Amino acid sequence: AQKITQTQPGMFVQEKEAVTLDCTYDTSDPSYGLFWYKQPSSGEMIFLIYQGSYDQQNATEGRYSLNFQKARKSANLVISASQLGDSAMYFCAMREVMDSSYKLIFGSGTRLLVRP
Amino acid sequence: SAVISQKPSRDICQRGTSLTIQCQVDSQVTMMFWYRQQPGQSLTLIATANQGSEATYESGFVIDKFPISRPNLTFSTLTVSNMSPEDSSIYLCSVDRIAGTQETQYFGPGTRLLVL
Repeated sequence: AQKITQTQPGMFVQEKEAVTLDCTYDTSDPSYGLFWYKQPSSGEMIFLIYQGSYDQQNATEGRYSLNFQKARKSANLVISASQLGDSAMYFCAMREVMDSSYKLIFGSGTRLLVRP
Repeated sequence: SAVISQKPSRDICQRGTSLTIQCQVDSQVTMMFWYRQQPGQSLTLIATANQGSEATYESGFVIDKFPISRPNLTFSTLTVSNMSPEDSSIYLCSVDRIAGTQETQYFGPGTRLLVL
């Protein structure tokens, strides 16, 4: 079963507007972490924001905020005041704890294109 | 943030040959992770490398194909052995970092591999 779902393969947004990228997850573990990464065409994975399952408040980092709805198992990324440089692939990921380690499970990604 | 470097940044290789990718981190870390991103796909964990022990491989990845070394707490290598065109991917190393209550996982810039 897919554990991280990103239902938007591609999104457009007008420069200076806000955009929401969807992410839903599935886990039975009460302790987990959710991450968002940006991957420009260069291929590097840039960490944007993290939300822990026990965090009381939604995470924010500059223009990025995470709309965390635990009961719905969603962790949507909100980018405010979009810039042309925000055009990239965006991946949602969940930290899954294993026996003595952990790993990140990634969604399929959303390609965001910011229009001037 | 963590400073992670990878060498080479990209390479074009002939099938049947092997390539060793190096990952250097700016400070000591317990676990280092190796991920693969096939063209147009999301990231998949290959293995977790702990210093002083054998790497732990994910399902579908074997040590003979992807041998990993972890000689110290700041360095690791991943070898892609007996390459075929299906191994053409971006290979990324990753480490986790905790700053206060903020957890994150950083990625290196990646190694783009093309196998002919």
